Amino acid sequence: TQLLEQSPQFLSIQEGENLTVYCNSSSVFSSLQWYRQEPGEGPVLLVTVVTGGEVKKLKRLTFQFGDARKDSSLHITAAQPGDTGLYLCAGGREDSNYQLIWGAGTKLIIKP
Amino acid sequence: NAGVTQTPKFRVLKTGQSMTLLCAQDMNHEYMYWYRQDPGMGLRLIHYSVGEGTTAKGEVPDGYNVSRLKKQNFLLGLESAAPSQTSVYFCASRQGNYGYTFGSGTRLTVV
Repeated sequence: TQLLEQSPQFLSIQEGENLTVYCNSSSVFSSLQWYRQEPGEGPVLLVTVVTGGEVKKLKRLTFQFGDARKDSSLHITAAQPGDTGLYLCAGGREDSNYQLIWGAGTKLIIKP
Repeated sequence: NAGVTQTPKFRVLKTGQSMTLLCAQDMNHEYMYWYRQDPGMGLRLIHYSVGEGTTAKGEVPDGYNVSRLKKQNFLLGLESAAPSQTSVYFCASRQGNYGYTFGSGTRLTVV
């Protein structure tokens, strides 16, 4: 069974601080996606990475896919209250083009 | 551009009652999914469809049925609701290898 473990599960920091969220597995994924979910809404796609070692930047957010395509990280620089939300990672299964394996999420709170 | 629309947004059922959750997408996506989200457990796949007229079981299909008679609609049915089915239900659609587009969810409470 493929599993994706996210850490930390919960993080509360002050505005302006930096943070990193991790998504780890013992399995290889064809791709890795990151989503952000706000209360009362569905997850919204932030980025997809598909190549081992790939780094993508979205303003203050930096996403990296591990060289072996088993892990990923999300780094936020100078966090702002608007970054508050539940961050979910999801890995594309190598044996199925139709399904994703989801992490349980990291709940991030940025205090003003 | 509505994206993925779920109805209803909230519902309270008594144990044993039945209901249907409707998902509609206007993006002509081939793939559609039904997930449930429970605290600390992330998103769990109930059923999915890879095209009109097709459905398949996901990770937690027991107690649910689905139908995809039209490409744009994916229905999730609960024949006899149980308290364990209290959850937030999300529908999503996808085209090719692009990311999922989610609806805003249905919060279901079974008492």
